[in-house]
Amino acid sequence: GAGVSQSPSNKVTEKGKDVELRCDPISGHTALYWYRQSLGQGLEFLIYFQGNSAPDKSGLPSDRFSAERTGGSVSTLTIQRTQQEDSAVYLCASRGGARTEAFFGQGTRLTVV
Amino acid sequence: AQKVTQAQTEISVVEKEDVTLDCVYETRDTTYYLFWYKQPPSGELVFLIRRNSFDEQNEISGRYSWNFQKSTSSFNFTITASQVVDSAVYFCALSGTSGSARQLTFGSGTQLTVLP
Repeated sequence: GAGVSQSPSNKVTEKGKDVELRCDPISGHTALYWYRQSLGQGLEFLIYFQGNSAPDKSGLPSDRFSAERTGGSVSTLTIQRTQQEDSAVYLCASRGGARTEAFFGQGTRLTVV
Repeated sequence: AQKVTQAQTEISVVEKEDVTLDCVYETRDTTYYLFWYKQPPSGELVFLIRRNSFDEQNEISGRYSWNFQKSTSSFNFTITASQVVDSAVYFCALSGTSGSARQLTFGSGTQLTVLP
């Protein structure tokens, strides 16, 4: 499709396990963002990729979180040794440029049990 | 650092009332972009509007209107004759154009409930 695609849509994992969340941005979009939204809360910025520049990782909550973007397209957010407080909806967005709006995927709902 | 403040956490109105959602922002960039997004109960974030910092002309789209005032760093959103389907969380966002300001910064959101 033409929109931002995230997979899986739902993920249940046991505490201590690693998880990988995937984001396929809109083709041609140079900017890609990851946010986290806990139940009833706002959007917490995690990381931002812009073209070939070094990513802005200032929002990553701990060194258990990492992300990469391969070939300027698909991005993977990895959470190692998951904790219950990591349970949230993880949202990905892509953007064609600084003057344009961001488009969001449907999110991945992560539940750590 | 840039910041977006939505002081209204929750607003409840009766259908057909007008309602204004406030948004105040801070940025050091001289060129920046402001956005409003809607998040209905289904969870997806829907883009509503983008406004450039150099264009202070207000905009109207159907029942929606936006008032951008650079002098007060505000970008308020008004829904006229509200409907139950307007019930959602509304987020204001800001993006600069230089360095880390290109990050898309969101306010904490305003939960709007429109009662029948």
